[in-house]
Amino acid sequence: TQLLEQSPQFLSIQEGENLTVYCNSSSVFSSLQWYRQEPGEGPVLLVTVVTGGEVKKLKRLTFQFGDARKDSSLHITAAQPGDTGLYLCAGSNYGGSQGNLIFGKGTKLSVKP
Amino acid sequence: DAGVIQSPRHEVTEMGQEVTLRCKPISGHNSLFWYRQTMMRGLELLIYFNNNVPIDDSGMPEDRFSAKMPNASFSTLKIQPSEPRDSAVYFCASSSGGGYGYTFGSGTRLTVV
Repeated sequence: TQLLEQSPQFLSIQEGENLTVYCNSSSVFSSLQWYRQEPGEGPVLLVTVVTGGEVKKLKRLTFQFGDARKDSSLHITAAQPGDTGLYLCAGSNYGGSQGNLIFGKGTKLSVKP
Repeated sequence: DAGVIQSPRHEVTEMGQEVTLRCKPISGHNSLFWYRQTMMRGLELLIYFNNNVPIDDSGMPEDRFSAKMPNASFSTLKIQPSEPRDSAVYFCASSSGGGYGYTFGSGTRLTVV
């Protein structure tokens, strides 16, 4: 069974601070996705990383896929209250059942003004 | 496109009653997924369909749960009889398949008393 472990589970910081959250597995994934979920809503896709070592930037968010495609990190620069939410990573194996993603349990981020 | 549409948004029912959750996926998406989210277990895949055919229902907790997808634009998840431990947020998501990102609905918050 493939598992994705996310850390930390909870994170509370002040506006303007930087932070990094992690997503780790003992399994190799074909691709990895990051989602953000706000209270009362479904998760929303932020980014997909496919190549080992790949780095993608989305404004103040930087996503990296590990060289071995077993782990990923999300770094937020100068966090803002609008970044508050649950960050979920999800891994995919194209060789398996089509499009079946495995989700981590998430990191709950709170950014205080 | 209006996105993935789920109904109802909230459902409160008594133990033993039948509950039916509904989902309209994004037009053109050929994969549909039902997830359950709780604080303890995170997002759990219940069942998913590809081209209206159930592919993997190993996540369905027990025989009280059933799901159908009679056509490409509609799916239901039924719980009969419902139990308090079924209380959770149930999400429907759709995808183009092949490891592309999922689009989630806003979820149905189910409370069984």
